[in-house]
Amino acid sequence: NAGVMQNPRHLVRRRGQEARLRCSPMKGHSHVYWYRQLPEEGLKFMVYLQKENIIDESGMPKERFSAEFPKEGPSILRIQQVVRGDSAAYFCASSRTPNTEAFFGQGTRLTVV
Amino acid sequence: QQPVQSPQAVILREGEDAVINCSSSKALYSVHWYRQKHGEAPVFLMILLKGGEQKGHEKISASFNEKKQQSSLYLTASQLSYSGTYFCGTEDSGGSNYKLTFGKGTLLTVNP
Repeated sequence: NAGVMQNPRHLVRRRGQEARLRCSPMKGHSHVYWYRQLPEEGLKFMVYLQKENIIDESGMPKERFSAEFPKEGPSILRIQQVVRGDSAAYFCASSRTPNTEAFFGQGTRLTVV
Repeated sequence: QQPVQSPQAVILREGEDAVINCSSSKALYSVHWYRQKHGEAPVFLMILLKGGEQKGHEKISASFNEKKQQSSLYLTASQLSYSGTYFCGTEDSGGSNYKLTFGKGTLLTVNP
């Protein structure tokens, strides 16, 4: 039973480009959460999605950031026109139901140059 | 509001015990504990729900004091594999039942 799969593991983008981060939840999990982590910091909630629905995006910047979880395929976190401050590790987690244990993926480390 | 973890860092010799605390200024519904090794994904340890219950798994256990709005993680007879950063994630009792607010972490180093 594969865990939460994120790709790519590392992503380098120039300022102004777009970054697309993918997350495939564990089998049987329909709840997906995205978190951002800066060095020496905890995980900061960004968005919570269920299949085809954004439930809560209160932690996501209003501009340039978007997320989706289509009926088929992985969840996607998209960052448009990236800036240096977007450099961070982005983790995806999934759970079977809300507030049960969430399992994290290995993360995508985004570097904006 | 981000929960406060203490200590920020602790160094142990193999076999020693440690306690990591997590305090919130808000009433809590649940506390989730994770361990993260450098460059890896956070690994789930346990959930504690309000009611003051204590949970344990082998030599790692935790308690949740609802009235004091805090949780403690107990590591006994530490092993080298316990090294990593421990995070608590809290869920407010008045909020959603899915969004976790994580502390800044406690770096635990276990030496031979």
